[in-house]
Amino acid sequence: QAGLTQPPSVSKDLRQTATLTCTGNNNNVGDQGAAWLQQHQGHPPKLLSYRNNNRPSGISERLSASRSGNTASLTITGLQPEDEADYYCSAWDSSLSAWVFGGGTKLTVL
Amino acid sequence: QVQLVQSGAEVKKPGASVKVSCKASGYTFSGYKKHWVRQAPGQGLEWMGWVNPNSGGTHYAQKFQGRVTMTGDTSISTAYMELYSLRTDDTAVYYCVRDSGSFDCWGQGTLVTVSS
Repeated sequence: QAGLTQPPSVSKDLRQTATLTCTGNNNNVGDQGAAWLQQHQGHPPKLLSYRNNNRPSGISERLSASRSGNTASLTITGLQPEDEADYYCSAWDSSLSAWVFGGGTKLTVL
Repeated sequence: QVQLVQSGAEVKKPGASVKVSCKASGYTFSGYKKHWVRQAPGQGLEWMGWVNPNSGGTHYAQKFQGRVTMTGDTSISTAYMELYSLRTDDTAVYYCVRDSGSFDCWGQGTLVTVSS
């Protein structure tokens, strides 16, 4: 089934800002927004934000999410070594009646 | 605190079935749907479906319909995912996930290896 589109990799310098994107369509991202997940190697994913910019408790304020049309974005400011991970977006697709995921973006902090 | 603890790794032969459990603690089990998401080695996340432990209702991804059963036992706060007719490409880590409006709590994952 169709998924969401994410760039495979992004590299940024320490203390810089990274913006990760996730493109869907009117039936998923453009409808109810997207959630963002972070996954470190060998660990389960962790929820970072949901419905565009709602952060669960304990998630750093350096992370913020937004949406413009059918594209969701996750911005991480002041990059730290621990931000190096895989990032996935997800959304409910009303036409597929299914949750869909992006392929993931590997963020490297140089 | 909210916690999901899954059963241990499994090795199965092609054609067999596997049943993975997910025990919840720290919250009212019947109050939240439980999703199952899998991740093949080195790959991304794939949604398989959900079960509503309160009603027993389910909704499966089209890809898995007819090959998966998801259930919940509220008396022991445990959700189950059973996958049938296993193939080698079912080799993956299987996660249970609580749904409180989004995927807010994940189990530690269960590696299922399908190999002859």
